[in-house]
Amino acid sequence: KAGVTQTPRYLIKTRGQQVTLSCSPISGHRSVSWYQQTPGQGLQFLFEYFSETQRNKGNFPGRFSGRQFSNSRSEMNVSTLELGDSALYLCASSFGGTVTDTQYFGPGTRLTVL
Amino acid sequence: QKEVEQDPGPLSVPEGAIVSLNCTYSNSAFQYFMWYRQYSRKGPELLMYTYSSGNKEDGRFTAQVDKSSKYISLFIRDSQPSDSATYLCATDSGGGADGLTFGKGTHLIIQP
Repeated sequence: KAGVTQTPRYLIKTRGQQVTLSCSPISGHRSVSWYQQTPGQGLQFLFEYFSETQRNKGNFPGRFSGRQFSNSRSEMNVSTLELGDSALYLCASSFGGTVTDTQYFGPGTRLTVL
Repeated sequence: QKEVEQDPGPLSVPEGAIVSLNCTYSNSAFQYFMWYRQYSRKGPELLMYTYSSGNKEDGRFTAQVDKSSKYISLFIRDSQPSDSATYLCATDSGGGADGLTFGKGTHLIIQP
């Protein structure tokens, strides 16, 4: 069974640009969550999508947005990039998105903002 | 104050030692407790999952939760060099609204 895949793996952008990251969940999983990981703050929850609907959202500014497609693939977008957005962005998929469903993480996309 | 506190380490121990990793949390609403392991350049993978207080054992790993003191522990017996990784504790209230709340992780090094 293929794991969670994320593309691209590495990305370099400059301040003010926007970026789109992609996540393909494990086949059959309908929930996709996104997290930001930095050395200073650790892993922080961005948002969760289930069946194309954003179900939960963390405490991040509106520059961070996402969507989910009918095949459960998800994208997240960051507009007007800031230096502080440099981080590892992880997505995790699970079957139903409940707390008792195991979340499987992808390898992440390393975003560097210059 | 972050809701889940975890010593970042690094924690370096010799092969074969018993390792103790710990977290404290502040939100009494947390009911679910997990330990994830993250190797370099990889995403976290779930190691252990516990609901409410108590112990749970899986092979060389034991997870312990003490809700009265808001303390979470992971013990690794007969530690191996392959256990070298960052260990993250995570909690959830069960409501799902805020996703998982993670500690910052402890970097563990097992010396051969």
